[in-house]
Amino acid sequence: QMTQSPSSLSASVGDRVTFTCRASQYISTFLHWYQQRPGKAPRLLIYAASSLQSGVPSRFSGSGSGTDFTLTISSLQPEDSATYYCQQSFSTPFTFGPGTKVDV
Amino acid sequence: QVQLVESGGGVVQPGKSLRLSCAASGFAFGAYGVHWVRQAPGKGLEWVALVSHDGSNKYYSDSVKGRFSISRDNSKNMVYLQMRSLRPEDTAVFHCARDVGTATTGQGYGMDVWGQGTTVTVSS
Repeated sequence: QMTQSPSSLSASVGDRVTFTCRASQYISTFLHWYQQRPGKAPRLLIYAASSLQSGVPSRFSGSGSGTDFTLTISSLQPEDSATYYCQQSFSTPFTFGPGTKVDV
Repeated sequence: QVQLVESGGGVVQPGKSLRLSCAASGFAFGAYGVHWVRQAPGKGLEWVALVSHDGSNKYYSDSVKGRFSISRDNSKNMVYLQMRSLRPEDTAVFHCARDVGTATTGQGYGMDVWGQGTTVTVSS
């Protein structure tokens, strides 16, 4: 089971925002973050807890290991309005968190 | 360019079957695991199934185990999802997605390429 908090947030351009994701059991660093804009396919932002996917802006960063993880956007931009999901791939069945909806 | 394109969705009655296809192009298809992920209307993402790079290992969510079957044909750069005994709660957009790794160990390394999805509606 994956949990995410908050479920939604509203912030301003330039703000620093942090989301959290918690696993119900140990998952090492098999934790990935995705961004999904309305009507679009998800996009991988961070893999293996802290590795930035190629082409993703450097304002996105991830940290954590074990059961507790965070995604940080250092300076929020208008195009960051989206829902953010964490996903564990330590063991099957793989699971996604319920998501954090961000309104900029 | 690197892409995945799903097809095969549609409207189907409860209890019937449907097969989804995922066509890959622009990369060394046989080197990567491939997932199916679905999203019910207005809901979050749900992982459905994973096939390893060579098709030898397959994994399923509890909600579809025994009803869905994932397979691949590396000679055609295709992945399939055979769905049987469909239920209204299977209604969703189904995406195929490439794993960063081979998926031979039952662990994944992130899904870095996604298709736009194909819609499955299960209704009488």
